[in-house]
Amino acid sequence: DQQVKQNSPSLSVQEGRISILNCDYTNSMFDYFLWYKKYPAEGPTFLISISSIKDKNEDGRFTVFLNKSAKHLSLHIVPSQPGDSAVYFCAASALGGSEKLVFGKGTKLTVNP
Amino acid sequence: DTAVSQTPKYLVTQMGNDKSIKCEQNLGHDTMYWYKQDSKKFLKIMFSYNNKELIINETVPNRFSPKSPDKAHLNLHINSLELGDSAVYFCASSQGGRNSPLHFGNGTRLTVT
Repeated sequence: DQQVKQNSPSLSVQEGRISILNCDYTNSMFDYFLWYKKYPAEGPTFLISISSIKDKNEDGRFTVFLNKSAKHLSLHIVPSQPGDSAVYFCAASALGGSEKLVFGKGTKLTVNP
Repeated sequence: DTAVSQTPKYLVTQMGNDKSIKCEQNLGHDTMYWYKQDSKKFLKIMFSYNNKELIINETVPNRFSPKSPDKAHLNLHINSLELGDSAVYFCASSQGGRNSPLHFGNGTRLTVT
């Protein structure tokens, strides 16, 4: 059963516009969420995280929003750049769940020049 | 100077063989992990070690045996390889603690024929 779902396998946006990547989760025990970015033939790299005590966290062009009641989070990239083209993974961990991260399947973002 | 390095990058072998994947991190982290990305693109945790001690052991066949000779190394040995073991295996490390980001290696693509 997929506890972390990224329902859009791919997303294409124009350079300079906003990219919005979505993630839904089913486990109400999840209280910490992370986004990772992955380029081809490389491992995922950490991008940004958010704790369930917050509803927004910002780091430069990247902002993550958390809607706990909807069990939904989103990653906004503004403005999008061609170098942002990658696969983005949403991940979550649960209080009391040791250090096990549960990942979504990823969304492939393509930013067109 | 790669932070988390794993070898080999590609591994092609026949069913029934035994193979090992090596992982080393130079970040001074206490915790290391093995993740598997299967054909459906899910990244799933297999094992986690903290200071050479096993702390997470997901439902993984006994044919998979991690070995941590010291906290900078976590190797994965696989016995009697099966077709279904074909996947990309990622090693990762972190400072430990639930909210510490993972630093991934670039993956080992294992193909069992």
